[in-house]
Amino acid sequence: AQSVTQPDIHITVSEGASLELRCNYSYGATPYLFWYVQSPGQGLQLLLKYFSGDTLVQGIKGFEAEFKRSQSSFNLRKPSVHWSDAAEYFCAVGVSNDYKLSFGAGTTVTVRA
Amino acid sequence: DVKVTQSSRYLVKRTGEKVFLECVQDMDHENMFWYRQDPGLGLRLIYFSYDVKMKEKGDIPEGYSVSREKKERFSLILESASTNQTSMYLCGSKTYNEQFFGPGTRLTVL
Repeated sequence: AQSVTQPDIHITVSEGASLELRCNYSYGATPYLFWYVQSPGQGLQLLLKYFSGDTLVQGIKGFEAEFKRSQSSFNLRKPSVHWSDAAEYFCAVGVSNDYKLSFGAGTTVTVRA
Repeated sequence: DVKVTQSSRYLVKRTGEKVFLECVQDMDHENMFWYRQDPGLGLRLIYFSYDVKMKEKGDIPEGYSVSREKKERFSLILESASTNQTSMYLCGSKTYNEQFFGPGTRLTVL
């Protein structure tokens, strides 16, 4: 079965600084990879996803992620963080034609002025 | 846009009560699901439904049941609520390559 690790429970970043959130997965074949964001009191919103092809994926809100098969990683990045990016971020992995996503424990991002 | 709604944002129930959580989607998706979200544990799948009257257990189905009588509606039932079921419950629907989530129901069992 697939699994996901998000090593950082909490990250604090200054507004305007860059952000990188780490995600490592465990799965024998090529997985489907996702990043979701959850703002306070809200449901989860999809930021971006990777199925195949170009390993650098562009998402909404200026986020991007890079799939690195050799490192089993799918790290999320944003060059310049805005205060509205303060939220909890979840990495998830799925397999083709399977209904189930496995989620990481989440990383909470705090943005300081 | 896909819209997923949940019947309550906040719910407080007493131990032993029967609890119904409702989820409705408006995009005619066949697949629907229920997760619970707990700090430090992420989201864990409770049940999945891939069609009307069809269901499949997820990772943590104990203490829960589900009902899917209509395509757009998927209900989660706590037959006898317990304090360890205090949690955030997220439901949603799924296309081939994307899951859509509702805003969540924060359930407190006293």
